[in-house]
Amino acid sequence: NAGVTQTPKFQVLKTGQSMTLQCAQDMNHNSMYWYRQDPGMGLRLIYYSASEGTTDKGEVPNGYNVSRLNKREFSLRLESAAPSQTSVYFCASGAEVGSEQYFGPGTRLTVT
Amino acid sequence: EDQVTQSPEALRLQEGESSSLNCSYTVSGLRGLFWYRQDPGKGPEFLFTLYSAGEEKEKERLKATLTKKESFLHITAPKPEDSATYLCAVLGGSNYKLTFGKGTLLTVNP
Repeated sequence: NAGVTQTPKFQVLKTGQSMTLQCAQDMNHNSMYWYRQDPGMGLRLIYYSASEGTTDKGEVPNGYNVSRLNKREFSLRLESAAPSQTSVYFCASGAEVGSEQYFGPGTRLTVT
Repeated sequence: EDQVTQSPEALRLQEGESSSLNCSYTVSGLRGLFWYRQDPGKGPEFLFTLYSAGEEKEKERLKATLTKKESFLHITAPKPEDSATYLCAVLGGSNYKLTFGKGTLLTVNP
């Protein structure tokens, strides 16, 4: 039982490049989330998916897109990376919207 | 807008020296208050959920309590392995969005 897994662990991009962060959970959870964590800012919600087939914007969605591929997988895409997107990205899942969330190990992204 | 303020920002204790961390919140209709522990370079680890004022939960040396305006995380006789950042989050009337505080960095010296 791996919980929530994320790939890659580290990534360096140049401004304007694109990439997709992958997330998978094996807890049969319905809801999944993407957060970013920046020094002094705390965790901020980018997008979430209440259930398979649905996605909604969180607090800071600009510059990102998401896909809920199936019940297990939720990906985050940066179409044209900017230095302001340098951050640590966490995926999380929960049994239902509003229940406690379980986090993955994070992806540390640097955009130069 | 939901708001969470954690204090102190950093706390240094000697092993065995008990203390408390504070989480003050402003939320429209509290649906739940969550405590997490985060070790450097790792994702937050779920500790507790509290739902109503007066509720208490315990896990090893940690006890979380909740009032209508704040929550406390009491650490009894801490050990160096309790060193971490402790995060508090609230779930308000929106029903989907956790609002996180900035955390308290706890260091326990042997």
